[in-house]
Amino acid sequence: GENVEQHPSTLSVQEGDSAVIKCTYSDSASNYFPWYKQELGKRPQLIIDIRSNVGEKKDQRIAVTLNKTAKHFSLHITETQPEDSAVYFCAVDDYKLSFGAGTTVTVRA
Amino acid sequence: GAVVSQHPSWVICKSGTSVKIECRSLDFQATTMFWYRQFPKQSLMLMATSNEGSKATYEQGVEKDKFLINHASLTLSTLTVTSAHPEDSSFYICSAAGQGTNYGYTFGSGTRLTVV
Repeated sequence: GENVEQHPSTLSVQEGDSAVIKCTYSDSASNYFPWYKQELGKRPQLIIDIRSNVGEKKDQRIAVTLNKTAKHFSLHITETQPEDSAVYFCAVDDYKLSFGAGTTVTVRA
Repeated sequence: GAVVSQHPSWVICKSGTSVKIECRSLDFQATTMFWYRQFPKQSLMLMATSNEGSKATYEQGVEKDKFLINHASLTLSTLTVTSAHPEDSSFYICSAAGQGTNYGYTFGSGTRLTVV
């Protein structure tokens, strides 16, 4: 099955700074890469996704970059706000979602 | 957008009893349903994949006789935890894929199971 590695496991940033989370995967045939935000006790919430035919996608303060050759993709959050504090998961789709281990992001006010 | 309703949101049961969790797709046909388990401070681990009208495919290490999955219709899938034990206490989440979801995945709200 797909092996997804996610780093870092925890990330603390000052409000207004940027946060970057990176994931690598093993199956080069995968072509859909979503990112989820999960608050305690709640369902994962899709925040952005990218398909293999593009290298970058942006939605306001959130962007994702994909390097298919190197099999890694990254989440970038700019101008972080306290409400960005949550656990973030990357995932890789090979007909089912395989999740990274998660990154706990804390935005310090 | 695509919505998946999951019930109950939380349940407490005694050891040895069974618990059924339901996931319904409200506005689309869920051709495939995925069931995940999430322990505290851990990631979502796929337990099984079910296609409507077919037997579920279980991930390695997941006991199919303990976690019974039924996907009898395109709008309903159930997970029954049989003979529950305290180590089964976890957050169970379903995720549906199908027409109307833009080929993405729609998650249920999750069920917090506590076995005492």
